[in-house]
Amino acid sequence: GEDVEQSLFLSVREGDSSVINCTYTDSSSTYLYWYKQEPGAGLQLLTYIFSNMDMKQDQRLTVLLNKKDKHLSLRIADTQTGDSAIYFCAESPDNTDKLIFGTGTRLQVFP
Amino acid sequence: DAGVTQSPTHLIKTRGQQVTLRCSPISGHKSVSWYQQVLGQGPQFIFQYYEKEERGRGNFPDRFSARQFPNYSSELNVNALLLGDSALYLCASSLDPWGNEQFFGPGTRLTVL
Repeated sequence: GEDVEQSLFLSVREGDSSVINCTYTDSSSTYLYWYKQEPGAGLQLLTYIFSNMDMKQDQRLTVLLNKKDKHLSLRIADTQTGDSAIYFCAESPDNTDKLIFGTGTRLQVFP
Repeated sequence: DAGVTQSPTHLIKTRGQQVTLRCSPISGHKSVSWYQQVLGQGPQFIFQYYEKEERGRGNFPDRFSARQFPNYSSELNVNALLLGDSALYLCASSLDPWGNEQFFGPGTRLTVL
């Protein structure tokens, strides 16, 4: 079945690293994505990783993929107050545009 | 370049009415997908269109329909509105439907009273 799970809430101090975790179920997913949603706004694509990769780094963002355990994580280095938002991981089964989203992790950054 | 645009921004309807939401993709993008995001949840896939053809449909009732026009813009129609249809409706566009990056619009907030 299709199911993507995330923890609901994460609170970190400004300047620390944040790690948001996600588990997915469909091993056919070719790409796995991280989106950011600020209050009242649409979704912003942060980064994505191809399923044959273990890691991808993009400035402050590091994505780790454990395909065996179907586990995906997003690490944000030097977290800033502007990073406060809801973060969604998503998979795209069968190399299509149909995205299966998790419930989202609300990241709160305090000074 | 303009991103994905959606109209209207907000909409209030009553139960039983019908609504049409509109989406214009990024220039050059031919695939449009629609998602429903109920408050506190992740977006749920409704439809995908590519080259005016429906390529995918999520688990939504027949009250939901969509179409894509020759200029690749799209409309989502919902008939016989229910209170549970209250949500943020998101449109996403991509170059083609085979797993490319999808870019989302700001959404239309639909409230059904």
